[in-house]
Amino acid sequence: NAGVMQNPRHLVRRRGQEARLRCSPMKGHSHVYWYRQLPEEGLKFMVYLQKENIIDESGMPKERFSAEFPKEGPSILRIQQVVRGDSAAYFCASSPSMGDTQYFGPGTRLTVL
Amino acid sequence: QKEVEQDPGPLSVPEGAIVSLNCTYSNSAFQYFMWYRQYSRKGPELLMYTYSSGNKEDGRFTAQVDKSSKYISLFIRDSQPSDSATYLCAMSVASGTYKYIFGTGTRLKVLA
Repeated sequence: NAGVMQNPRHLVRRRGQEARLRCSPMKGHSHVYWYRQLPEEGLKFMVYLQKENIIDESGMPKERFSAEFPKEGPSILRIQQVVRGDSAAYFCASSPSMGDTQYFGPGTRLTVL
Repeated sequence: QKEVEQDPGPLSVPEGAIVSLNCTYSNSAFQYFMWYRQYSRKGPELLMYTYSSGNKEDGRFTAQVDKSSKYISLFIRDSQPSDSATYLCAMSVASGTYKYIFGTGTRLKVLA
C-alpha cells in the first residue's frame, strides 16, 4: 500500500542548471498537486494536474517552471535555469478526485548552490 | 496580512500535558479546516478535518472551529514524545475545492 512517492529526496544543483522533480501518486489517484515550502513559510500551492492536463497553474511562476503529468509515468515538476531562491522543499500530493483529501509525499529538498 | 496566521513556536511541554495549537484566519469564506502533522524531513500527514463550526474528536485529538472569531484550535490530550512534530493548519473555501491555504506551522516538542 505505497503512498505518494517522490524522487529524488535531495537534489543539489548549481545556478543555471535544470532540476527535475518526480512524483508518483498513490495507487488509484489521478489528481496531483505540487506545493513549495520555504523556511518559515507555509506550504504554497503551485499547480494542479490530472492525467495529461494542467487544471490550475496559478501558483506557479510563469517563467522557468513547468509541470506535466503524462498518461504513463510520474508527474514531473521542471525548473529551468535554477536560482538560489528556488532552494526549498517541494511536495507533491495526490487525491482520487478533485476536492478529495490530499495525501502528501515525503518531498524533494532542492538546494541551489 | 497573511490569510492564515499560526504561531511558529517552538512550543515545549512535558509529557502528559494538554497541548493547544491555534490558527487565526482572515477570509470568512473558509469553510473546511484541516490539521496536518509533519515530522522532520517528512511530508505532511492529515490528522483531522472539520467542516464549518464545532468540535470533532478523534482519540487524544480534538479539533475546534469558531467561525465567529475566525479561530481554529487543535487540542492534544496526554501528549507523548512521539507527538513532537510541526503542526500545520490548512483551510479552503469548501470541502470540494483543492486550493488549501496553509499556516506556517507550529513546532511542538513534548519532553519525556
